[in-house]
Amino acid sequence: EPEVTQTPSHQVTQMGQEVILRCVPISNHLYFYWYRQILGQKVEFLVSFYNNEISEKSEIFDDQFSVERPDGSNFTLKIRSTKLEDSAMYFCASRMGGSSYNEQFFGPGTRLTVL
Amino acid sequence: SQQGEEDPQALSIQEGENATMNCSYKTSINNLQWYRQNSGRGLVHLILIRSNEREKHSGRLRVTLDTSKKSSSLLITASRAADTASYFCATVPTDSWGKFQFGAGTQVVVTP
Repeated sequence: EPEVTQTPSHQVTQMGQEVILRCVPISNHLYFYWYRQILGQKVEFLVSFYNNEISEKSEIFDDQFSVERPDGSNFTLKIRSTKLEDSAMYFCASRMGGSSYNEQFFGPGTRLTVL
Repeated sequence: SQQGEEDPQALSIQEGENATMNCSYKTSINNLQWYRQNSGRGLVHLILIRSNEREKHSGRLRVTLDTSKKSSSLLITASRAADTASYFCATVPTDSWGKFQFGAGTQVVVTP
């Protein structure tokens, strides 16, 4: 069964460093998302991406964040200068297109630890 | 309360009992979905109910949706220890590109 994959599973970085989190969505999906979950808190929407551009983003998604679909396969989230408060689990999700909002398939997540 | 708020926050039951949790939301939605998350792991999709549906079943899961009250419930029948997890509802507002708004979740512990 097709699934969303994410790498790495765990990333440890120093404050101020850049990190890139990678996701491979399901191949025939058209909409892509990043969410994050700070430990013990709820899952929060970061950004949605469709047709090679951002379609929606949250207040969390500031200038330090960017997304890219560089090769039609990968979907990346970049944090330019990490802060301690960026430590969280980051989930990628994808869904098919269509007139109804179908199920979003989530990846297993990348745990980001900023020291 | 925020969009997609679940209650109770925590639920402890014995194996074989039923577990019921509720979700309330504020805006108009296209659909509502329930997910399960084992501790420190990813989100597993359980069931989707569309705004024009009132009830849906999947195995031991039963979901209801009342759009007039902006609420949904998830019932797990004959619970098992493996059902121990956090359960989240996620709503898709009608004015969004499908972004989910998650609640804080209900932590369910099923003891043998």
